[in-house]
Amino acid sequence: AQSVSQHNHHVILSEAASLELGCNYSYGGTVNLFWYVQYPGQHLQLLLKYFSGDPLVKGIKGFEAEFIKSKFSFNLRKPSVQWSDTAEYFCAVFIYNQGGKLIFGQGTELSVKP
Amino acid sequence: DGGITQSPKYLFRKEGQNVTLSCEQNLNHDAMYWYRQDPGQGLRLIYYSQIVNDFQKGDIAEGYSVSREKKESFPLTVTSAQKNPTAFYLCASRGGLAGTGELFFGEGSRLTVL
Repeated sequence: AQSVSQHNHHVILSEAASLELGCNYSYGGTVNLFWYVQYPGQHLQLLLKYFSGDPLVKGIKGFEAEFIKSKFSFNLRKPSVQWSDTAEYFCAVFIYNQGGKLIFGQGTELSVKP
Repeated sequence: DGGITQSPKYLFRKEGQNVTLSCEQNLNHDAMYWYRQDPGQGLRLIYYSQIVNDFQKGDIAEGYSVSREKKESFPLTVTSAQKNPTAFYLCASRGGLAGTGELFFGEGSRLTVL
């Protein structure tokens, strides 16, 4: 079965540190890729998405992600985190040829210390 | 306002009872999804539907049922066969072609089985 794996369950950083959250998926066909963020007490929001073209995509709030097809990865990065980035981050994969199946990873909780 | 409405927000039920969670959207989206969110497990896909009168099982469909008789509605029934039904349930819809659209989420329904 297809799956999405996020490497880190909980990441703790100090402000201004760089961030990289790993995401790998297991499916050999065509996919669209997403990162969502859930701030405490709020809905999930879209951070960024990849459909095709340049594998380096930029999203809101200074986040970016790189799609590496050969590694089935879509890692999220930010050069310098802020306290307000404290949230839970979810990687998601839309699978073509599966009737619109969209699956999420387990989530990574990010805590940024001021 | 356009959006997704889930009801009820909180629900208590006794073991052995079926319960139906409502999800309505006025975004004119074709695709709708039901997820279950548990701490440390991310969002797990229960059922999804790309068009009216059609739906598919997700990764954890056992003990759940759905219907999609109208484009705007996608109710989820948690049956007595679901072994661990206490959870937070999220409904989402997606517009766009072939997986290009982002998900819009409802506020969720928290089900507690007593």
